[in-house]
Amino acid sequence: SQQGEEDPQALSIQEGENATMNCSYKTSINNLQWYRQNSGRGLVHLILIRSNEREKHSGRLRVTLDTSKKSSSLLITASRAADTASYFCATDEWGGKLIFGQGTELSVKP
Amino acid sequence: NAGVMQNPRHLVRRRGQEARLRCSPMKGHSHVYWYRQLPEEGLKFMVYLQKENIIDESGMPKERFSAEFPKEGPSILRIQQVVRGDSAAYFCASSPGLAGIVYTGELFFGEGSRLTVL
Repeated sequence: SQQGEEDPQALSIQEGENATMNCSYKTSINNLQWYRQNSGRGLVHLILIRSNEREKHSGRLRVTLDTSKKSSSLLITASRAADTASYFCATDEWGGKLIFGQGTELSVKP
Repeated sequence: NAGVMQNPRHLVRRRGQEARLRCSPMKGHSHVYWYRQLPEEGLKFMVYLQKENIIDESGMPKERFSAEFPKEGPSILRIQQVVRGDSAAYFCASSPGLAGIVYTGELFFGEGSRLTVL
């Protein structure tokens, strides 16, 4: 069964704006990860946040995790047209496998 | 330093035929995962393997689907007697596992094999 639900399903913004994507999950987790997928390609790992962390940064990416609400958000600041892709959250439930959400399709218009 | 290699990238089969998808993990990785992605959907977990062992196959359909990761050679996802509903992109990912080189928890994905059933 799917673990994560992402919101919104689709997001369209202008270059330079910030993009925020949210992910909710159902069970306890070891860590939560965000991946990016360009159309027709494989997934690329972006960032991982552990269950005992609340916030993490990597370049223009900022991830937060609220284990009490079982939710996470991914913020992409100063977006670029090249950020256009689908973004997926994935939860690691301690079993080694990742369970992915449905994804948010981000379109950044130049 | 090659990444995860999947082949074929595209495969067309007629209903009732067999499909075999191959995955060579990254060098030094001993864990392989298979996921299926239907159009406009997320990835659904299928199976998690280590060399010569199936660790978790909770996402595998009960019939027609099988996976292996032999001691030598790539991991194989085999779909027998394909039906139109099997049309999807099948992704393989690998990781070094807990006892691997540096376990970070992330998975490394291949570019996928896109199966079309006519």
